[in-house]
Amino acid sequence: SQQGEEDPQALSIQEGENATMNCSYKTSINNLQWYRQNSGRGLVHLILIRSNEREKHSGRLRVTLDTSKKSSSLLITASRAADTASYFCATTLTARLTFGTGTRLQVTL
Amino acid sequence: DAGVIQSPRHEVTEMGQEVTLRCKPISGHNSLFWYRQTMMRGLELLIYFNNNVPIDDSGMPEDRFSAKMPNASFSTLKIQPSEPRDSAVYFCASSLVRDEQYFGPGTRLTVT
Repeated sequence: SQQGEEDPQALSIQEGENATMNCSYKTSINNLQWYRQNSGRGLVHLILIRSNEREKHSGRLRVTLDTSKKSSSLLITASRAADTASYFCATTLTARLTFGTGTRLQVTL
Repeated sequence: DAGVIQSPRHEVTEMGQEVTLRCKPISGHNSLFWYRQTMMRGLELLIYFNNNVPIDDSGMPEDRFSAKMPNASFSTLKIQPSEPRDSAVYFCASSLVRDEQYFGPGTRLTVT
């Protein structure tokens, strides 16, 4: 299975702090994507990093990819209460996405 | 622009009944995906279509599940007969080529 594993499963931080989530996967990939899911809602695409890229930024998001270790990290800087959600990494080799197990992030005031 | 539209948003049915979930992808997208999300199994890909043709249905649990995409703007996922273990949130997503997928709001299915 190519399913990714996120670490930690749950993370609780205070507003203003940084949040780091990690993802490990098992097979070759074309790209890796991060998605956010608010409770009871569909997934929202956050950022995509291709297999030949090592780091990518988008606003307060920073993603790294280490294909030799088959791992990725998502850093959310200066977190806000609105960042409270579950975060999933997803890998793709063909058109299909294989999602990880997710990290539940709780940002408190 | 309207995103991916799914209907119904909630469905409660009795075991043995037929259930049909509907999806309208984003106009212009050529790939459509059906996922199922449960606490135990997470997010699983059931089937995906490219240009209305089923490409990979290896995630479809069993013959009780079937999916169709008669045209570029509509897809259905049917469960017949439904069982309590089919209770889950079913998501439809669409995309253009191999990039990000856009998810619908999901259909929460409860089979009693």
